Amino acid sequence: AQKVTQAQTEISVVEKEDVTLDCVYETRDTTYYLFWYKQPPSGELVFLIRRNSFDEQNEISGRYSWNFQKSTSSFNFTITASQVVDSAVYFCAPGPVMNSGYSTLTFGKGTMLLVSP
Amino acid sequence: KAGVTQTPRYLIKTRGQQVTLSCSPISGHRSVSWYQQTPGQGLQFLFEYFSETQRNKGNFPGRFSGRQFSNSRSEMNVSTLELGDSALYLCASSQSDRARGYTFGSGTRLTVV
Repeated sequence: AQKVTQAQTEISVVEKEDVTLDCVYETRDTTYYLFWYKQPPSGELVFLIRRNSFDEQNEISGRYSWNFQKSTSSFNFTITASQVVDSAVYFCAPGPVMNSGYSTLTFGKGTMLLVSP
Repeated sequence: KAGVTQTPRYLIKTRGQQVTLSCSPISGHRSVSWYQQTPGQGLQFLFEYFSETQRNKGNFPGRFSGRQFSNSRSEMNVSTLELGDSALYLCASSQSDRARGYTFGSGTRLTVV
């Protein structure tokens, strides 16, 4: 089974600030995928990024970047120059496990990000 | 390309009734998963269907069931509704290669009174 901890319940920033959302996960699996999703007030979960467990190269995609460290089981997500439209609840989710029938996403409790003008 | 469509968007039911929720995945996606989201428990996995077969099941009572049709559309059913079943029910579809990620619908908000 997998477990996710998002220690930050709520973060408030002012527009244009950079913000990092923390995620620590537990898994006994050796090969798996990690995801970040965003949930705006409309309720729909929006896919942001995907990372596989055997590639620790950190990347940047537009204003998004992530820092994956398998040794510490952390998968942190950073938004650069935040905007009001970034206000949402952000979820970290490991899964599915590669080459297995286990295909579910295990979600953390989420971090609510409030970006004020 | 149409996204994942869930109907109805909102639903109010009375305790003891049953309810059926529908999910139409993205065209070409054969996997459909269902999640329940509540303030107390967060997002919890209900079940996943692939090619009309249930592939995985979460830890929910037997009152929760689902099925998938040959066109990949899926329905979930909750019988003998309880107040605690009030939640946002989210459906997600994915391609055969689940590692590509899941696309979620806007959800059905069920209120049990």
